[in-house]
Amino acid sequence: KNEVEQSPQNLTAQEGEFITINCSYSVGISALHWLQQHPGGGIVSLFMLSSGKKKHGRLIATINIQEKHSSLHITASHPRDSAVYICAVIYGGSQGNLIFGKGTKLSVKP
Amino acid sequence: ETGVTQTPRHLVMGMTNKKSLKCEQHLGHNAMYWYKQSAKKPLELMFVYNFKEQTENNSVPSRFSPECPNSSHLFLHLHTLQPEDSALYLCASSQDFRVYGYTFGSGTRLTVV
Repeated sequence: KNEVEQSPQNLTAQEGEFITINCSYSVGISALHWLQQHPGGGIVSLFMLSSGKKKHGRLIATINIQEKHSSLHITASHPRDSAVYICAVIYGGSQGNLIFGKGTKLSVKP
Repeated sequence: ETGVTQTPRHLVMGMTNKKSLKCEQHLGHNAMYWYKQSAKKPLELMFVYNFKEQTENNSVPSRFSPECPNSSHLFLHLHTLQPEDSALYLCASSQDFRVYGYTFGSGTRLTVV
C-alpha cells in the first residue's frame, strides 16, 4: 500500500462542473504539494500547504492535518484543466523525503 | 517555462549506448534532484544534490551516474541501460523546500531499445 493514496484514479467531467480530488496519507508530514502534470510531462506546482486552505483562481486546496487528508477542488472546470493531478507529501527534515501519489487523471469534456 | 530546463526532451538509445541528460536552473536554488516516472507508478526519487554535494542516493543502479558541476547544472549519465529503464526523467530544484517547495522541469522521455 502506497503511503500516499489519491482518489479517484481517473475522472471525467463536463465543462463547468465542480471537481474534487482527494489525497490521504499515512505518515506525519511537514507540508503537502499539489502538482499538475500535462501530457507533455512537465510538472507545475499548484500549491504547497501545511494547514488550512489556499485559493488560486479557480483552484482551492484544503488540508486537515489531524485526519491526514487533503482535497483539491476545481470550480467551473474547463477542458484546459485536463491533466494529471499529483499529491506529494514532505516528511521529515531531509530534502529527499517527498512521497508522491500515483496521480488522478482528469479529463474535462467541452 | 518553469525556470528549470531539461535537454533533450526525448531520447531513444540502445542498450550499449552512453548518453547524458542535462538539467539547468538559474533560479538561484541550492538543491537539485533527479526523479524517475515510470508508467502507472508514482514518481521515484533518484538523487539529491545540495550545494553540489550528493546528499541522497535512493539505491539507484550504477548504470545511472549523476554529476553536479555547480549549483545550476545537473547531469545524469546513462550507460548500458535496460528496456525497463524507459521512463520520464524529471529534474527539480529547490531553495528552502520547506517554505517554497520544488520547481520541476519538463522532463526527458527516455526509450531504451
